Amino acid sequence: GNSVTQMEGPVTLSEEAFLTINCTYTATGYPSLFWYVQYPGEGLQLLLKATKADDKGSNKGFEATYRKETTSFHLEKGSVQVSDSAVYFCALRSRNSGNTPLVFGKGTRLSVIA
Amino acid sequence: EPEVTQTPSHQVTQMGQEVILRCVPISNHLYFYWYRQILGQKVEFLVSFYNNEISEKSEIFDDQFSVERPDGSNFTLKIRSTKLEDSAMYFCASSEGTGYNEQFFGPGTRLTVL
Repeated sequence: GNSVTQMEGPVTLSEEAFLTINCTYTATGYPSLFWYVQYPGEGLQLLLKATKADDKGSNKGFEATYRKETTSFHLEKGSVQVSDSAVYFCALRSRNSGNTPLVFGKGTRLSVIA
Repeated sequence: EPEVTQTPSHQVTQMGQEVILRCVPISNHLYFYWYRQILGQKVEFLVSFYNNEISEKSEIFDDQFSVERPDGSNFTLKIRSTKLEDSAMYFCASSEGTGYNEQFFGPGTRLTVL
């Protein structure tokens, strides 16, 4: 079945540091890949997505590239801010029709300190 | 900006009691979902709902669970006889349509079963 594995947290970085959160997946076919973010006290928000191999999703300075050969979708940001402190979830959705459910990783908590 | 809302934010109940978790999806959305996250584990799909019936459900969603859209705005998840292992954060989500339409998530209800 489909599954997502992401690096364990928590991750603690100083402001302006480089961020990488690793995510790999197992899926049949060619899924769409997502990163969701959850800020304290809020719901999951879509951060970025990629729907086919070599696509790069980007938003708010975050990027992730769909790598089919390594089945990965690592999240990166060149310079993190305190406001980026949140829990980040990698997820996939198969290309089946219908309201296909998302398959999530465990989430990685990021804390950015000034 | 429209958002998915959930009530209550935190529910404490005794084992064996019935609980109803409530969600108000975004008004023009047609597809509704429940997910849950047991502390420290992955966000897991429970059920999806469209046109007043269940579209898909996971093996977690057994006879103890039911969903309902009792009126034009609410979407509820009922657990008939709660168990200790039902303690989790429950997320509601909605989307406009199928395929690549983004699922918008609520802030979650933390259910604690004692």
